[in-house]
Amino acid sequence: NAGVTQTPKFQVLKTGQSMTLQCAQDMNHNSMYWYRQDPGMGLRLIYYSASEGTTDKGEVPNGYNVSRLNKREFSLRLESAAPSQTSVYFCASRGQGAPNQPQHFGDGTRLSIL
Amino acid sequence: AQSVTQLDSQVPVFEEAPVELRCNYSSSVSVYLFWYVQYPNQGLQLLLKYLSGSTLVESINGFEAEFNKSQTSFHLRKPSVHISDTAEYFCAVSGSTSGTYKYIFGTGTRLKVLA
Repeated sequence: NAGVTQTPKFQVLKTGQSMTLQCAQDMNHNSMYWYRQDPGMGLRLIYYSASEGTTDKGEVPNGYNVSRLNKREFSLRLESAAPSQTSVYFCASRGQGAPNQPQHFGDGTRLSIL
Repeated sequence: AQSVTQLDSQVPVFEEAPVELRCNYSSSVSVYLFWYVQYPNQGLQLLLKYLSGSTLVESINGFEAEFNKSQTSFHLRKPSVHISDTAEYFCAVSGSTSGTYKYIFGTGTRLKVLA
């Protein structure tokens, strides 16, 4: 049981390049999330998708776009990468609707923007 | 607005000593509480959760946390830590004040166990 799978694990980009981070879950979860993790700032929500076909902005959405391709997959796109977007990105999913469900995380994508 | 506070950003402790990692949250009508652990170069993993019932919850590796409604706290404790417990620990709250639940993480506490 793979859980939440993120690709790639590492990436280096130049300023202005574009990139899509991929995330897939095999737990039949409705909700999916994208976070960024920076030192001393914990996890900050970028975008989330409560169900297939819906997406909503989180705390720090500027500079990002998302696509909920189907129930399994939720991708994050950087259209024009900036050094401030250097971070570790985590995808998470959560079970059916109930607020008492924990989130399940992938192992992260470590992204450096030069 | 819903909030979670982890006052200690770093906690150094000697091996076999006890440890407490503090977590406070803003009051909600209804709340569910979680602790996650993150080992280096990995994602977050659920350590334990409080949903209802007994206010003391335990994990399989010796951690425990107590839900204290009056103090709006959910502190994580372990009576004797091991080197392998070195990790970052995140408190999270799923809370509602008006029927809509928000899931919020604290900023994390880095536990460093010293030999």
